[in-house]
Amino acid sequence: DQQVKQNSPSLSVQEGRISILNCDYTNSMFDYFLWYKKYPAEGPTFLISISSIKDKNEDGRFTVFLNKSAKHLSLHIVPSQPGDSAVYFCAASGTGSARQLTFGSGTQLTVLP
Amino acid sequence: SQTIHQWPATLVQPVGSPLSLECTVEGTSNPNLYWYRQAAGRGLQLLFYSVGIGQISSEVPQNLSASRPQDRQFILSSKKLLLSDSGFYLCAWSVSSGYTFGSGTRLTVV
Repeated sequence: DQQVKQNSPSLSVQEGRISILNCDYTNSMFDYFLWYKKYPAEGPTFLISISSIKDKNEDGRFTVFLNKSAKHLSLHIVPSQPGDSAVYFCAASGTGSARQLTFGSGTQLTVLP
Repeated sequence: SQTIHQWPATLVQPVGSPLSLECTVEGTSNPNLYWYRQAAGRGLQLLFYSVGIGQISSEVPQNLSASRPQDRQFILSSKKLLLSDSGFYLCAWSVSSGYTFGSGTRLTVV
């Protein structure tokens, strides 16, 4: 049972336009959400996070929106750049001492010049 | 500064051979440590996590095992590799809500 879902395996966007990556979760105990970016043969790098007490968090070109009632979050990248092309993973964690992350399956973003 | 080291970067092993991947962290004490695997075309799957020395929790039953002999050392092992063990293995640590990932090991079982 996938607790974190990224239903779009790939997304292509023109340079300068907005990229919107979506993520849905089923576990209502999740209270912290993160987005990671991953290039081939490298470890994921942290992009942005949001706590369940907020509905929006912004950091430069990256904004994460959280809709708790819909159990949905999205990552907006504006404006998109070719260097943003990578796999983006949504991740969630809940309470507990280990706070392990549950990842979605990822979305390959391709920004076309 | 806090860093994480993972090696080797790539590994090609025959079926039935043993495996040992090592991960060490610096600049922190008593971190939570994790092993993740990314199989081809799939997301990151949590394999093991550890909240302290000698404490290992397994998330997925499989051909692998993990050990934490020291506070800042986490080892992923197998006695006999299977073809299905091929993938990209990532070590990670966290001390609060923040995670840091290692650079990963590309394992190909042939």
